[in-house]
Amino acid sequence: KAGVTQTPRYLIKTRGQQVTLSCSPISGHRSVSWYQQTPGQGLQFLFEYFSETQRNKGNFPGRFSGRQFSNSRSEMNVSTLELGDSALYLCASFAAQDTQYFGPGTRLTVL
Amino acid sequence: EDQVTQSPEALRLQEGESSSLNCSYTVSGLRGLFWYRQDPGKGPEFLFTLYSAGEEKEKERLKATLTKKESFLHITAPKPEDSATYLCAVQAGGGNKLTFGTGTQLKVEL
Repeated sequence: KAGVTQTPRYLIKTRGQQVTLSCSPISGHRSVSWYQQTPGQGLQFLFEYFSETQRNKGNFPGRFSGRQFSNSRSEMNVSTLELGDSALYLCASFAAQDTQYFGPGTRLTVL
Repeated sequence: EDQVTQSPEALRLQEGESSSLNCSYTVSGLRGLFWYRQDPGKGPEFLFTLYSAGEEKEKERLKATLTKKESFLHITAPKPEDSATYLCAVQAGGGNKLTFGTGTQLKVEL
């Protein structure tokens, strides 16, 4: 069974730009969560989607948004990028309330 | 607010030298405690899920245990390939959000 895929793997943007990251979950999984990982804060929850509906949201500003499509693929968007948004963005896929399996992440660098 | 604390922050072992990593937690209504392994530049790799106090799970050289306040990841006779950051996370309440600790960076030397 193929794992969680995330694209792109690496991104370099400048302050003020916006970025869209993509996540394809494991086949059959309808739930996706997004996390931000930084050296200072560790892994922090961004949001969770199930059947195209956002079910939970972490403590991040409104610049961070996401959506899920009918095929369970998910995207997250960050607008007006700041230097502090540089991080590894991780997507996790799961079935119902089961174990979350993570993708390889997208490394975002904001210059 | 859910809190997870892992110790030590870093651990250096000789090959074959067994040890334990600690994960203490404060949550309201624990639904599951998860252990992940993360290699540099990669996403976390699932190891174990523990649901209730007294539960234990094993996989190769790793054994995870759970009490009402903490979890331990015991590493028996580690090898250099066990070197990684080990992350502990809890799931509590009604949602699926995971709250992570900051991890223990393990290095196993020959």
